Amino acid sequence: AQKITQTQPGMFVQEKEAVTLDCTYDTSDQSYGLFWYKQPSSGEMIFLIYQGSYDEQNATEGRYSLNFQKARKSANLVISASQLGDSAMYFCAMRELADSWGKLQFGAGTQVVVTP
Amino acid sequence: DADVTQTPRNRITKTGKRIMLECSQTKGHDRMYWYRQDPGLGLRLIYYSFDVKDINKGEISDGYSVSRQAQAKFSLSLESAIPNQTALYFCATSLSYNEQFFGPGTRLTVL
Repeated sequence: AQKITQTQPGMFVQEKEAVTLDCTYDTSDQSYGLFWYKQPSSGEMIFLIYQGSYDEQNATEGRYSLNFQKARKSANLVISASQLGDSAMYFCAMRELADSWGKLQFGAGTQVVVTP
Repeated sequence: DADVTQTPRNRITKTGKRIMLECSQTKGHDRMYWYRQDPGLGLRLIYYSFDVKDINKGEISDGYSVSRQAQAKFSLSLESAIPNQTALYFCATSLSYNEQFFGPGTRLTVL
């Protein structure tokens, strides 16, 4: 069964606008972590932000913030003040304690295109 | 210098050939992983290793084998490459639960 669902295959956003990328997850574990990665056209995987299941505050890293709604099993990424360099594929991923904090399980990704 | 390196970065090979992808890390992490990425899909786990003596299959291990030669080195082998193994391959490492660092990736094409 799919553990991570990203329902937006692609999005266009205008420069300087904010964009929200959706991610829902499925787990019965109480301890888990949620990650967001950026993959530009060059192919590398760039870590953006992490949210632990027990973290009370939503994670923030610069222009990236994570809107964590535990009861809804939702971990949406918000990019504020979009820049042309934000054009990339974005992946949501989850890691579970039941898996000995082992592998990351990835969603299919959302392609973001930032327009001038 | 990069913390996680992969060689080669690009490789074109023919069906039936044996090929090895290598991963080295200078981060001192015990945990290492091999993932595969196909177009339109997220990364999927092939194999992972929690230390030199511990190797585990991931969700798509058929057709692949691995070797953990040292804490810093984790190699992925395709014993007899086939065209549907054409993909982008990533090595990753981690030390704790809230991080996982990826190498730059290897683009493999099997003709």
